[in-house]
Amino acid sequence: GIQVEQSPPDLILQEGANSTLRCNFSDSVNNLQWFHQNPWGQLINLFYIPSGTKQNGRLSATTVATERYSLLYISSSQTTDSGVYFCAVEWNSGGSNYKLTFGKGTLLTVNP
Amino acid sequence: NAGVTQTPKFRVLKTGQSMTLLCAQDMNHEYMYWYRQDPGMGLRLIHYSVGEGTTAKGEVPDGYNVSRLKKQNFLLGLESAAPSQTSVYFCASSSWEQGNEQFFGPGTRLTVL
Repeated sequence: GIQVEQSPPDLILQEGANSTLRCNFSDSVNNLQWFHQNPWGQLINLFYIPSGTKQNGRLSATTVATERYSLLYISSSQTTDSGVYFCAVEWNSGGSNYKLTFGKGTLLTVNP
Repeated sequence: NAGVTQTPKFRVLKTGQSMTLLCAQDMNHEYMYWYRQDPGMGLRLIHYSVGEGTTAKGEVPDGYNVSRLKKQNFLLGLESAAPSQTSVYFCASSSWEQGNEQFFGPGTRLTVL
């Protein structure tokens, strides 16, 4: 199966700082999603981004499919940004079957 | 729209007991999935369904069964719970017409003693 690696595993920021989270994957993918899991465990869709760049407020993401990586940018971080950020890639597991494989996540802590 | 809902939210079982987790979605998605999340790890796929009446195994299917009798519901069953099945279970759904972006329910926290 496909391997998904996220870095860094942990990140501590002061409120207002910027950060970049990285997701590397080992094979061609059909699409890629970024999620935020908040401290209550809820998974929130951030971006659906198989390629290119998207922006949503203070967050933006870029996927370079040919080089097998994606980046999530968080600008002017806030304490509510704390939580775990997951990258998940969809890949063809055979025939018409597509599966979503998650990385282990980046634990972000934003201090006031 | 409620999106994806899961019941129950919490459950404690004794080893050997059985239970069923219910997932419901109101987005008319054809695909549904069950994942488990263990500490320090991402989500792992247990079983999935590409349509009513069909199911398939994911990455970690042992000890679980599923059924998709109605398009909007996907049930996950544990016939004889084991402590190794203590986890948080997430259900998701997606539509191929919408690029297969997956949307997740709030999760069910299961503890097996």
